[in-house]
Amino acid sequence: DTAVSQTPKYLVTQMGNDKSIKCEQNLGHDTMYWYKQDSKKFLKIMFSYNNKELIINETVPNRFSPKSPDKAHLNLHINSLELGDSAVYFCASSTRQGTYEQYFGPGTRLTVT
Amino acid sequence: AQSVSQHNHHVILSEAASLELGCNYSYGGTVNLFWYVQYPGQHLQLLLKYFSGDPLVKGIKGFEAEFIKSKFSFNLRKPSVQWSDTAEYFCAVNTNAGKSTFGDGTTLTVKP
Repeated sequence: DTAVSQTPKYLVTQMGNDKSIKCEQNLGHDTMYWYKQDSKKFLKIMFSYNNKELIINETVPNRFSPKSPDKAHLNLHINSLELGDSAVYFCASSTRQGTYEQYFGPGTRLTVT
Repeated sequence: AQSVSQHNHHVILSEAASLELGCNYSYGGTVNLFWYVQYPGQHLQLLLKYFSGDPLVKGIKGFEAEFIKSKFSFNLRKPSVQWSDTAEYFCAVNTNAGKSTFGDGTTLTVKP
């Protein structure tokens, strides 16, 4: 059973379009994250939600809007896509107690043309 | 603000060589420390973690790491690498506030 799942796995779209990536976890965790990994493999946190509330919002263009309908889901909507948005986006989850070990999803490779 | 520094960006080793990847962090409070591994084309997965107790922690696949508080370091080691260890390795720090910071990663290439 997949612990953290993301859809779609690949997303190819044109500049200016709006797209969404979905994430679901079945681990019972209360905290979920979105990370962006660029072509150099650098991993940067974008957002973090705890019990559906935003707790971390790094410097990210406001074209990116996360939405957490419940503790098990954290979706990422991107408006007016730009070439520089091309990257792999990883969702992750953890608990806010203990060691905060994170479990990552398989990633969504976004290509903006 | 906390930060994580991984000194080696790209390491190339032959099979059976010993490995040590450096990781230093900056944060004055209590931290949890992690090493994650990302095999080619895959997602990140936990290699090992430290949160308290014995500063020498053992992880999967023969990896270990040592937390040296005085040096703010958490270096990853393996006595004998294999070709299958070729991957990207990330050091990460979590504070009690739940904020995670990842290093820039080290690409390990093991030649058969």
